[in-house]
Amino acid sequence: AQSVSQHNHHVILSEAASLELGCNYSYGGTVNLFWYVQYPGQHLQLLLKYFSGDPLVKGIKGFEAEFIKSKFSFNLRKPSVQWSDTAEYFCAVETYKYIFGTGTRLKVLA
Amino acid sequence: AAGVIQSPRHLIKEKRETATLKCYPIPRHDTVYWYQQGPGQDPQFLISFYEKMQSDKGSIPDRFSAQQFSDYHSELNMSSLELGDSALYFCASSLAHRGRLTYEQYFGPGTRLTVT
Repeated sequence: AQSVSQHNHHVILSEAASLELGCNYSYGGTVNLFWYVQYPGQHLQLLLKYFSGDPLVKGIKGFEAEFIKSKFSFNLRKPSVQWSDTAEYFCAVETYKYIFGTGTRLKVLA
Repeated sequence: AAGVIQSPRHLIKEKRETATLKCYPIPRHDTVYWYQQGPGQDPQFLISFYEKMQSDKGSIPDRFSAQQFSDYHSELNMSSLELGDSALYFCASSLAHRGRLTYEQYFGPGTRLTVT
């Protein structure tokens, strides 16, 4: 069965630390990949997406993600987090349907 | 730019009552998704519609039904409400792309349903 795994359920970082959130999926065919963010009390917003081309994708607010097809991964990164990045981050994979990961709650300490 | 509109934003109902949530997608979007997010939980996919036909079904209870109308807005009907139905209900819309049924989804602000 198709699935999306986010390995870190809770991450706590200090401001200026680097961030990497893991996302792995299980599907052998063509996929589109997404990262969403949900700030406290707000709805989900698209951070970035990958459909094809350069596997290193840059999104909003300094986030980027790298698609590594051989590893079935689409990890989210940010070189230096800010307190305002405190939120929950969801990886999503589109095959013939849309599947969300279970989310990673990030807390950035000021 | 126009966004996804959901109404109402807040709804309080009693057990065993019914509720109807509405979702107005971004203009020209033809696909609508419904998600349920319980307190402290991840969004769970309920159901989706493409061109007014149900395109996918997730963990939607039998007490719930939904449809998409000719103007592409969608309504989620919930009957015999239970305390456990208290949650944030998100609607998202997208535009079918290259013949596939999904594209990036744009989320509405959600309807917070409280069942007492």
